[in-house]
Amino acid sequence: DAMVIQNPRYQVTQFGKPVTLSCSQTLNHNVMYWYQQKSSQAPKLLFHYYDKDFNNEADTPDNFQSRRPNTSFCFLDIRSPGLGDAAMYLCATSKGSPSPYNEQFFGPGTRLTVL
Amino acid sequence: GQNIDQPTEMTATEGAIVQINCTYQTSGFNGLFWYQQHAGEAPTFLSYNVLDGLEEKGRFSSFLSRSKGYSYLLLKELQMKDSASYLCAGMDSNYQLIWGAGTKLIIKP
Repeated sequence: DAMVIQNPRYQVTQFGKPVTLSCSQTLNHNVMYWYQQKSSQAPKLLFHYYDKDFNNEADTPDNFQSRRPNTSFCFLDIRSPGLGDAAMYLCATSKGSPSPYNEQFFGPGTRLTVL
Repeated sequence: GQNIDQPTEMTATEGAIVQINCTYQTSGFNGLFWYQQHAGEAPTFLSYNVLDGLEEKGRFSSFLSRSKGYSYLLLKELQMKDSASYLCAGMDSNYQLIWGAGTKLIIKP
């Protein structure tokens, strides 16, 4: 089945130790998104790619970086995780250009714990 | 500014009907989405409204009033598996989703 896959599902890291989260998709969608979601809060958009065109949200901290080496894969790098970065990180994709008619498909998420 | 408001938590009884309200303010408007999110899982798409009125999809219906900046999600014949958070999201003029914090729906037998 076509899907959005995130690895790992659970990630534990130490304060300040870089960590990379990965997302892959078999939907062949043009757009990929990274969201951060803390408990009982709305998902917060960090970045999105339309093909290779990178779009950074204005309030995304510099500590967060992203890479999209090809259509199928996208990575979220957290350079120096702090305790406040503990959250669920959701990857989503949508087909074609961002538009109302292209719903977003979410991966299962990676729950990040920072010790 | 952009904002989505929805109740934090609601409780309903199995077999009953529940309506979850959402009010929105977005810079431009390209539609209103509802997603379901079970605890610890990713959101899954439920419905999309861009024109005024009611969209029905099985046990779930969604309503939109653009003039009032208001939407609701109606769930009928509630089942225990409907216990989840329901996220309202408005799409702005840049096609970005502005998310609400979600309404946690608790279903009691």
